[in-house]
Amino acid sequence: EDKVVQSPLSLVVHEGDTVTLNCSYEVTNFRSLLWYKQEKKAPTFLFMLTSSGIEKKSGRLSSILDKKELSSILNITATQTGDSAIYLCAVVSNTGTASKLTFGTGTRLQVTL
Amino acid sequence: DSGVTQTPKHLITATGQRVTLRCSPRSGDLSVYWYQQSLDQGLQFLIHYYNGEERAKGNILERFSAQQFPDLHSELNLSSLELGDSALYFCASSVNSLRNQPQHFGDGTRLSIL
Repeated sequence: EDKVVQSPLSLVVHEGDTVTLNCSYEVTNFRSLLWYKQEKKAPTFLFMLTSSGIEKKSGRLSSILDKKELSSILNITATQTGDSAIYLCAVVSNTGTASKLTFGTGTRLQVTL
Repeated sequence: DSGVTQTPKHLITATGQRVTLRCSPRSGDLSVYWYQQSLDQGLQFLIHYYNGEERAKGNILERFSAQQFPDLHSELNLSSLELGDSALYFCASSVNSLRNQPQHFGDGTRLSIL
């Protein structure tokens, strides 16, 4: 059974700190790894990492895929209170003719003043 | 705004009842996915439709069913509801079948069973 594990489960930091969120996976026929940010409502897409694109950056957020270690990290520098959210990692794997998305349980980040 | 529309936003009903959740994907997206999110289990994949056809099933109970219509909107039907079915139900859409295309999520339907 495909498995995605995120750590830590929760963390609280001060505004301006840098945080690193971890995601490890065990899936059959890996295709890509995605990061989502979930505030009060729907998860919003952050990054997609594939074999051909193992590092992505957008502003203060960046992510790296380590296919050898079957893991990914999401870095947030100079955190702001608006970064407070649940960060979800998901892995896309092939299941014959279709693809499947398996989510981790998320890391809850709280940024305080 | 992701462009994925889910209705209703919140649904309260009693055990044993049946409900229908509706999802309209983003314009141009052919794939629709349904997820259940509960406090203790995170996001659980239920089912995937592509251009009207079922493509993959996840942890979907037999009491639940879904379909995708010719106009590409989708409905998730939940019957014989139990207290444990209380959760946030998300619909997501993508252009095709997740081949290097991310999913975009609707705001969800919160289902409360009394």
